[in-house]
Amino acid sequence: ELKVEQNPLFLSMQEGKNYTIYCNYSTTSDRLYWYRQDPGKSLESLFVLLSNGAVKQEGRLMASLDTKARLSTLHITAAVHDLSATYFCAVDDMRFGAGTRLTVKP
Amino acid sequence: EAQVTQNPRYLITVTGKKLTVTCSQNMNHEYMSWYRQDPGLGLRQIYYSMNVEVTDKGDVPEGYKVSRKEKRNFPLILESPSPNQTSLYFCASGVDRNNQPQHFGDGTRLSIL
Repeated sequence: ELKVEQNPLFLSMQEGKNYTIYCNYSTTSDRLYWYRQDPGKSLESLFVLLSNGAVKQEGRLMASLDTKARLSTLHITAAVHDLSATYFCAVDDMRFGAGTRLTVKP
Repeated sequence: EAQVTQNPRYLITVTGKKLTVTCSQNMNHEYMSWYRQDPGLGLRQIYYSMNVEVTDKGDVPEGYKVSRKEKRNFPLILESPSPNQTSLYFCASGVDRNNQPQHFGDGTRLSIL
């Protein structure tokens, strides 16, 4: 059974700092998705990673995929308050991690 | 505007009273799915549909039914709701299940008393 684990589940950071969210999964897959969810809102697609070594960047967020290690990372650079949200990874776009609730404080 | 529309957005009902949550998409997507979101568990897939008249179980299908008679609609049916089905439900659609992300509806919050 495919299992997806995100770490950490809760993350409180200061503005301007860097941090990484990790997404580990248990079986072979080369399709990994990252979504963002604001409180009380729906999910919004951030990144689609479709091959080993794929790296995508949008603003202060960068996502990467290592299919051999079964690991994806979402790196946050110089965090700002607007990045406060819950971030989900999803393997094969159907099995989601539990989410990482990110709070960026001034 | 491309969107996935769910109705109702909120519903409080009682155990055993059949209910249907509708989902409609205007993007001509072949793939549609239903998820429930519970605190600490992320999203869990209930059912999905690869095309009209083709549906399949996700990870947590017990207590739910779906149908896909038209491409745009994918209703979720709770024949005899129970309190453990109290949750936030999301419908989603996608071009296919392979390379494109899904578009999610705004969610339906169900409370079963």
